[in-house]
Parts: sequence; structure tokens; C-alpha cells
Amino acid sequence: DAKTTQPPSMDCAEGRAANLPCNHSTISGNEYVYWYRQIHSQGPQYIIHGLKNNETNEMASLIITEDRKSSTLILPHATLRDTAVYYCIVRVDAAGNKLTFGGGTRVLVKP
Amino acid sequence: DVKVTQSSRYLVKRTGEKVFLECVQDMDHENMFWYRQDPGLGLRLIYFSYDVKMKEKGDIPEGYSVSREKKERFSLILESASTNQTSMYLCASSLPGGSGANVLTFGAGSRLTVL
Repeated sequence: DAKTTQPPSMDCAEGRAANLPCNHSTISGNEYVYWYRQIHSQGPQYIIHGLKNNETNEMASLIITEDRKSSTLILPHATLRDTAVYYCIVRVDAAGNKLTFGGGTRVLVKP
Repeated sequence: DVKVTQSSRYLVKRTGEKVFLECVQDMDHENMFWYRQDPGLGLRLIYFSYDVKMKEKGDIPEGYSVSREKKERFSLILESASTNQTSMYLCASSLPGGSGANVLTFGAGSRLTVL
């Protein structure tokens, strides 16, 4: 698996965009970038994933650099409920997968 | 709208007891997973299954076993619970490879305390 590197923590202001970086310089051509988050005392929640192109859904946007060595998850208008640990994972989409969650980024949205 | 249901939210057991953690999903997913989560150690994969009656060891299978007799149900078994198995246990499911194998839906978790 390609290893990912995320900052351990970051703060952002309520109502502002939150930009969460992830480095994955050893990513392979067939590996996707996945983002999950875990709100305190809950199970992780899938947010978004992408291969090469930028992706957007109702929760967030995913920007992947052209060389695919890094990506950014964007929460366009952060709310207090977005306070969570955010995990960036790189993996192929194949049977028998073992999805590994690293340390993630602890995001605190402040009023 | 509950899709992955874990039978018990909180359990307290004694050392040496046999413990069953049940997980049921209603999304007809092929893959199912059991993780445990501990402070400072993150999520660690215990076992996973990609088909009925199939199981694969994860990163920390010691002290655990699993059962998958039906597609929708994946059980985690602690044959003889020990205090170091006190943890939050998380079940998840996903579609097969090539169609979203890494888009996991998690349950709410089962917090097990072994005394």
C-alpha cells in the first residue's frame, strides 16, 4: 500500500473552508485516494474517493494533483459538526482488501 | 436508515468468559470486517470476510475468531476474554472488489470492557 502522510491536527473557523492535505508520494497508478472521518464515539464515515480527477459530492471536494502524489480534501463551509478525525487512505479497489487507517488529522472547527 | 447494526453498544464481561459480538448488514454486501480501536493505536483490522464461510486474518487476529454463516451476518468471537481485549470494536461492510471494495459502511461500535 502507498503510505500517506497527514498533519496530526488543524483548526479551522466555522463557516470557512477547511483544506485538509494528504501526501502519498509512492502511490501506484491503480490506487485510489479515499477519505473517511470519525466523529467522537462513532464509527468512521466514508466521505469521498478519487483516482485521477477531482471529485465533489454533497459532503466535500477532493482535489488530486496531476502527479497524484498529494491530495486535498475540502470542506467548503465547515460547521461545528465537522469536528472529527479525518483519514486519508490509498488503496487499490480489489477483492480481499485490508483497509488500513493511519493516524489521520484531528480537525477542530471553532466558532 | 441503519445499515450496519452491532448487537450491543456496551458490554461488560469477566476474564475467561466467551464473548460474541454480532454484526448484521442489510446492504447485501460481500465484504465484512472487524476492527478494534484503542487510544493511540488507531483502528486495527482483526478479521475480514469476502464471502460466506470465507475468512481472512487481519493484522491482529490472535485471541479472536469469526463466523460468517450467512451473507448478512459476521460474528466476532473471543474464546476466553482477557483484560487486554477491552476496546471499542467496529464492524464494517463493503461491496466486492472493482465496485467499491474500499467504501466501507461502519456500525456504531461495541465498547467491550473485560474485568
